[in-house]
Amino acid sequence: SAVISQKPSRDICQRGTSLTIQCQVDSQVTMMFWYRQQPGQSLTLIATANQGSEATYESGFVIDKFPISRPNLTFSTLTVSNMSPEDSSIYLCSVGQTHTEAFFGQGTRLTVV
Amino acid sequence: AQSVAQPEDQVNVAEGNPLTVKCTYSVSGNPYLFWYVQYPNRGLQFLLKYITGDNLVKGSYGFEAEFNKSQTSFHLKKPSALVSDSALYFCALHNTDKLIFGTGTRLQVFP
Repeated sequence: SAVISQKPSRDICQRGTSLTIQCQVDSQVTMMFWYRQQPGQSLTLIATANQGSEATYESGFVIDKFPISRPNLTFSTLTVSNMSPEDSSIYLCSVGQTHTEAFFGQGTRLTVV
Repeated sequence: AQSVAQPEDQVNVAEGNPLTVKCTYSVSGNPYLFWYVQYPNRGLQFLLKYITGDNLVKGSYGFEAEFNKSQTSFHLKKPSALVSDSALYFCALHNTDKLIFGTGTRLQVFP
């Protein structure tokens, strides 16, 4: 199992600003994932954060908008840049291996005003 | 294309009654299926998984799920619902290194 600490747990931000979300895992993991959960909707994968290389982004998500850092095997950050109200969502960090259960942080609830 | 469908947005059940939350999938090759639960203001918690073996999988909190290959389904079940089971439930399919989530089903158990 893995324990994931994610912060901040929530924030209210002005449009046009950026927010960086941190994800800390209590053990070394190869891959970390960032998801977005828009209000009343399911989880959508934003990107896979790989240590030592650039993140791999899913269709519809770009590095300029969602830059990701992965400086070591226990930590990652996701930045939501130049925010607009449409970015209001819950952002979730996750870790897991192929064909095993994934573990999730408690999420960051972002409101952009 | 790989996909997961949860046909019900909400399921209502009385406490003590059995519950079923439906999930169907589409995949080429062997399916690796999961159920997760999300309580308010919390991240997702793993409930159970099907990788291979017995079609009836037992998981946390008394939940179980039945894998049915012919019907491409993986329905979540519990013999006797509790009010504390009220939450959002997600079925997920493992595709290479990624999880594909269903749209979620809100389970409401009323006293």
